[in-house]
Amino acid sequence: DQQVKQNSPSLSVQEGRISILNCDYTNSMFDYFLWYKKYPAEGPTFLISISSIKDKNEDGRFTVFLNKSAKHLSLHIVPSQPGDSAVYFCAASVGNAGNMLTFGGGTRLMVKP
Amino acid sequence: DAGITQSPRHKVTETGTPVTLRCHQTENHRYMYWYRQDPGHGLRLIHYSYGVKDTDKGEVSDGYSVSRSKTEDFLLTLESATSSQTSVYFCAIRIGEYEQYFGPGTRLTVT
Repeated sequence: DQQVKQNSPSLSVQEGRISILNCDYTNSMFDYFLWYKKYPAEGPTFLISISSIKDKNEDGRFTVFLNKSAKHLSLHIVPSQPGDSAVYFCAASVGNAGNMLTFGGGTRLMVKP
Repeated sequence: DAGITQSPRHKVTETGTPVTLRCHQTENHRYMYWYRQDPGHGLRLIHYSYGVKDTDKGEVSDGYSVSRSKTEDFLLTLESATSSQTSVYFCAIRIGEYEQYFGPGTRLTVT
């Protein structure tokens, strides 16, 4: 039973437009959420995170929104650039026992020039 | 650059043979993790370590063992490799309270 789900395996967006990547979770004990970006043949790289006490966190072109009542988070990329084309993983953590991360299955974003 | 290296980067081995993957960090972080990445499953935790000789199981630990005799090295061993263990393996270290930083990965093929 996947506790973190990314229901869209892929997303295609035009350069300059907004990309919205979604993630749903089932475990109400998760208290910290992260987004990672992964290029082929490389390890995932940390992008942005949000604590459960917040509903929004922004870093440049990247904003993460958290809706705890819906157990849903989203990553907005504005404006999207071709270099943003990658696989994006959301991850969640319960703040104890090593702060292990539970990952979603990933969404492949393609930004077309 | 979080100073994580993995070796080997690629390996092909036969079913039933033992395999050891190495993760090395240069920054003395306490927590280290091994994940595997498979299509549709994202990354799944195999084992993690919270200090020298302190390890614990993750979600998909069956068929894997780990050892950490030095802070900087975390080894993942497949005692008898099976085709279901064909995957890409990532090591990570924890920096801060939650953020993990990943190595470049090891692509393992079991034939």
